[in-house]
Amino acid sequence: TQLLEQSPQFLSIQEGENLTVYCNSSSVFSSLQWYRQEPGEGPVLLVTVVTGGEVKKLKRLTFQFGDARKDSSLHITAAQPGDTGLYLCAGDGGANSKLTFGKGITLSVRP
Amino acid sequence: DVKVTQSSRYLVKRTGEKVFLECVQDMDHENMFWYRQDPGLGLRLIYFSYDVKMKEKGDIPEGYSVSREKKERFSLILESASTNQTSMYLCASRGLGRSNQPQHFGDGTRLSIL
Repeated sequence: TQLLEQSPQFLSIQEGENLTVYCNSSSVFSSLQWYRQEPGEGPVLLVTVVTGGEVKKLKRLTFQFGDARKDSSLHITAAQPGDTGLYLCAGDGGANSKLTFGKGITLSVRP
Repeated sequence: DVKVTQSSRYLVKRTGEKVFLECVQDMDHENMFWYRQDPGLGLRLIYFSYDVKMKEKGDIPEGYSVSREKKERFSLILESASTNQTSMYLCASRGLGRSNQPQHFGDGTRLSIL
């Protein structure tokens, strides 16, 4: 069974701070996806990282895929209250397989 | 944009009732999924379907069944609702073919069993 561990589970920070959160596994994935879920809504895809070592930027969010394609990190620069939400990572085992989801990181950014 | 629509945002039912949760997607996706989401437990897969009339059990199928008579519609059925099935239920769809396809989620149904 493939498992994804996300850390920390909860994070509460002040607006303007930087933060990094992690998604780790002992399994290799063909890609990792990051989703954000806001209260009362379903998760929405933020980014997919495919190549080992790949870095993708989405405005103030930087995503990195580990060289061995087993882990990923998300770095947020100068966090804003609008970044508040549940961040989920999901590993893709290959074409047409199911995604494996981590339990998520609850981020709260205080004004 | 892909749209996944769940029939109800909030639902209140009584113990022992048969409950139907409906989900429709508009992108001709082959794969459809039902999850429940509980604090501290993350997303747990109940059932999924690779095609019309095809279904496979996920991690927590007990007490649930599914129906997929048409490609765009995937229904979750609680045969005899119990209070431990109070939860947020999320439907998702995913296309086949290329790897790295995202899952597209509905906005969820918050189900309370009294």
